[in-house]
Amino acid sequence: GAGVSQTPSNKVTEKGKYVELRCDPISGHTALYWYRQSLGQGPEFLIYFQGTGAADDSGLPNDRFFAVRPEGSVSTLKIQRTERGDSAVYLCASSSSSGAASHTFGSGTRLTVV
Amino acid sequence: AQSVTQLGSHVSVSEGALVLLRCNYSSSVPPYLFWYVQYPNQGLQLLLKYTTGATLVKGINGFEAEFKKSETSFHLTKPSAHMSDAAEYFCAVIFYNTDKLIFGTGTRLQVFP
Repeated sequence: GAGVSQTPSNKVTEKGKYVELRCDPISGHTALYWYRQSLGQGPEFLIYFQGTGAADDSGLPNDRFFAVRPEGSVSTLKIQRTERGDSAVYLCASSSSSGAASHTFGSGTRLTVV
Repeated sequence: AQSVTQLGSHVSVSEGALVLLRCNYSSSVPPYLFWYVQYPNQGLQLLLKYTTGATLVKGINGFEAEFKKSETSFHLTKPSAHMSDAAEYFCAVIFYNTDKLIFGTGTRLQVFP
């Protein structure tokens, strides 16, 4: 597609439930990133994929968070046993390569845990 | 420690006035430097970036930024503010030998008529 697509745009879930957030990057972009933006803050890095593999997952806050990119295109961020503190906007970005190449961001998924 | 700092969480200017948003980084090796803009309920849009070469970088919507190594700064400017410039602005860096963006805390720009 023309841009980075994230679905759903909004997700409300109950505490303790499992959620999946989807990111469809720009066609041909090998690098894919997930960031989390809490209210009033700048985005914080979660995980970076180069192709199918996670090249850097140092930003995942704990083992309830997991992400996959099985075919090197679409990625899914999975959150188990959600907590109210997980409420945030989850942003996905892709780029044609790593390093200096610009990230193109999606519009984000706003996750609210009630 | 490597970090990026934006001075001023809120900046207010009159329409037509100069816009100056400040960004400093802390790193022994100059990073790649970016400015992003975020309009309400939207994703991040790249304004401009510096990787190598000319230190004065021009971006979209009339914005520009200058990389000053001696001051470890990358301040964003626009000569004349428009109402449509009201948004949140984020400075971000990619430090040497890494691939992830590290963002500042953002500066909310308000433009008054």
